[in-house]
Amino acid sequence: GAVVSQHPSWVICKSGTSVKIECRSLDFQATTMFWYRQFPKQSLMLMATSNEGSKATYEQGVEKDKFLINHASLTLSTLTVTSAHPEDSSFYICSAPQEPETLLSTDTQYFGPGTRLTVL
Amino acid sequence: KQEVTQIPAALSVPEGENLVLNCSFTDSAIYNLQWFRQDPGKGLTSLLLIQSSQREQTSGRLNASLDKSSGRSTLYIAASQPGDSATYLCAARGPNNTGGFKTIFGAGTRLFVKA
Repeated sequence: GAVVSQHPSWVICKSGTSVKIECRSLDFQATTMFWYRQFPKQSLMLMATSNEGSKATYEQGVEKDKFLINHASLTLSTLTVTSAHPEDSSFYICSAPQEPETLLSTDTQYFGPGTRLTVL
Repeated sequence: KQEVTQIPAALSVPEGENLVLNCSFTDSAIYNLQWFRQDPGKGLTSLLLIQSSQREQTSGRLNASLDKSSGRSTLYIAASQPGDSATYLCAARGPNNTGGFKTIFGAGTRLFVKA
């Protein structure tokens, strides 16, 4: 099946620094990617939809200036956590549907392995 | 606004038992519903995807059903094994308000199968 990779798999940083997380679709093109955040023992919460060639769409309550998303190509989306603080520590997961958005009823979402961010 | 609920939140069963995990969603206007497995500290593994026009899907010991009208889906696991221990998440995909789509997850059911 399709593969989505994330880099890094884990990162520890000091408060106030910025961290970039990459999400890549390895063997297919993804015009749309999704970024989720998961706190311990909680479910995945959709943060934003990343759109190749246009601005990301953020969910209510997610600060777009803090979580910068850049969909640089059809196989790469990046999430930058700017001026990270301990409360940003979480598990960040990206996903991508393999088929174009026009085939909404048939595609499966493929998820990356996640990036664990710890802010000291 | 779509809300997805999973019951029970946690479940512990002896090996070999058949079990059912429940998922309910408030907005029946979904494109599909997907069940995932998540091991501690890991990403998601897709188990089954049921399209809105389908009633069920099967894969090995797993069977998932979908009743859109009542907003419910169940995941049936036959002859459970200790290796089935994980968190099981259901996710409903439907339209967003900008012409695209988005997926809403339930909080998951943490399953522990005792040897």
